[in-house]
Amino acid sequence: AQKITQTQPGMFVQEKEAVTLDCTYDTSDQSYGLFWYKQPSSGEMIFLIYQGSYDEQNATEGRYSLNFQKARKSANLVISASQLGDSAMYFCAMREAYNQGGKLIFGQGTELSVKP
Amino acid sequence: DAGVTQSPTHLIKTRGQQVTLRCSPISGHKSVSWYQQVLGQGPQFIFQYYEKEERGRGNFPDRFSARQFPNYSSELNVNALLLGDSALYLCASSTDDRGHGNQPQHFGDGTRLSIL
Repeated sequence: AQKITQTQPGMFVQEKEAVTLDCTYDTSDQSYGLFWYKQPSSGEMIFLIYQGSYDEQNATEGRYSLNFQKARKSANLVISASQLGDSAMYFCAMREAYNQGGKLIFGQGTELSVKP
Repeated sequence: DAGVTQSPTHLIKTRGQQVTLRCSPISGHKSVSWYQQVLGQGPQFIFQYYEKEERGRGNFPDRFSARQFPNYSSELNVNALLLGDSALYLCASSTDDRGHGNQPQHFGDGTRLSIL
């Protein structure tokens, strides 16, 4: 069964420094998608970045980049130049194979706190 | 452009009651998914609908049901409420019905349901 593991319940980072949030996944599918979402205390889930299983390049979106290591089944999120507004819960998610309705499987999340 | 809208934002019910949650997707999005997020955990998939047809169902009891209307809005119904149903219920929409490509699911702010 597909599974997402986020082993860091909480992380601290100094403002303006970079931070890496870990995510490992388990699937027997060859085609899948990996997503990162940010959830502030207000509750909304904000899409950050996507990586497809067949993408050869690591995805980047502004200050966010995804360190995709397919053989190790890891998809770590790197946030560069952390800002106070980056303090939030971060969820890694995997989309199952297309014939499963495209549902997302989420990890337990990592709470990031940015210190001034 | 309006994002995914959910109503109500907060709801308090007692055990045994029934509740209906509503969701309006982003304009042009035909796929709507529902997730339950219990405090301290990642969201869990409940249902996906595409053009009024159920495309996926998570591991939830039959007390949970949903439907999608011709305008692509959706309702989630939960009968015989239990204390364990207390959670944030998130609705997400996308253009993608089967999980092809890199189309993310865009989430609403959620409905916080409390069962007394």
